[in-house]
Amino acid sequence: SQTIHQWPATLVQPVGSPLSLECTVEGTSNPNLYWYRQAAGRGLQLLFYSVGIGQISSEVPQNLSASRPQDRQFILSSKKLLLSDSGFYLCAWTRTSGRALRETQYFGPGTRLLVL
Amino acid sequence: AQSVAQPEDQVNVAEGNPLTVKCTYSVSGNPYLFWYVQYPNRGLQFLLKYITGDNLVKGSYGFEAEFNKSQTSFHLKKPSALVSDSALYFCAVRDADSNYQLIWGAGTKLIIKP
Repeated sequence: SQTIHQWPATLVQPVGSPLSLECTVEGTSNPNLYWYRQAAGRGLQLLFYSVGIGQISSEVPQNLSASRPQDRQFILSSKKLLLSDSGFYLCAWTRTSGRALRETQYFGPGTRLLVL
Repeated sequence: AQSVAQPEDQVNVAEGNPLTVKCTYSVSGNPYLFWYVQYPNRGLQFLLKYITGDNLVKGSYGFEAEFNKSQTSFHLKKPSALVSDSALYFCAVRDADSNYQLIWGAGTKLIIKP
């Protein structure tokens, strides 16, 4: 079976500090990977998605970046955090198939980031 | 443009009563519809999806959803609510014009009172 991990679970960082959040998927190969941010416990904002190693698409311009150094590893980074970067960050994956529209997206447990 | 609306910010239901969480959508092609649940400080969990076929879809934890093409709706239902059903519920839609990404509703907070 497939599992998705995120760490750390919680993080408190000062403004201006760097950020690195990690997401890994087990039990599948060549997944599509996604980073979302959820602010104030409500709506989901898609930040980045990746269809393969080194392939990153950004949905929203901001001071965050993403990388995919390995097939099942997805990293969210920032060089300098802003107060507005606080939120709940969720990683998700879908199976790569010829029926992309039908594939279910599965989520990790999330990382709670508080920027002070 | 593709969109999803969850018109109720919060739904309150007494335990044991039936519950409905509403979702309407707008897509240019055939819709592929999904429901997820989120418990506090947790990731989203997949409940069910409509791809094609029977308009009534059964999912996890006793939930079901009815696809209504004429009303462009995909309401989530459960015959008898449990206190443990209290959570945040998200509806999402995907179609080919959205570059295969999920378009998300704003979420509905479901509160089940004992």
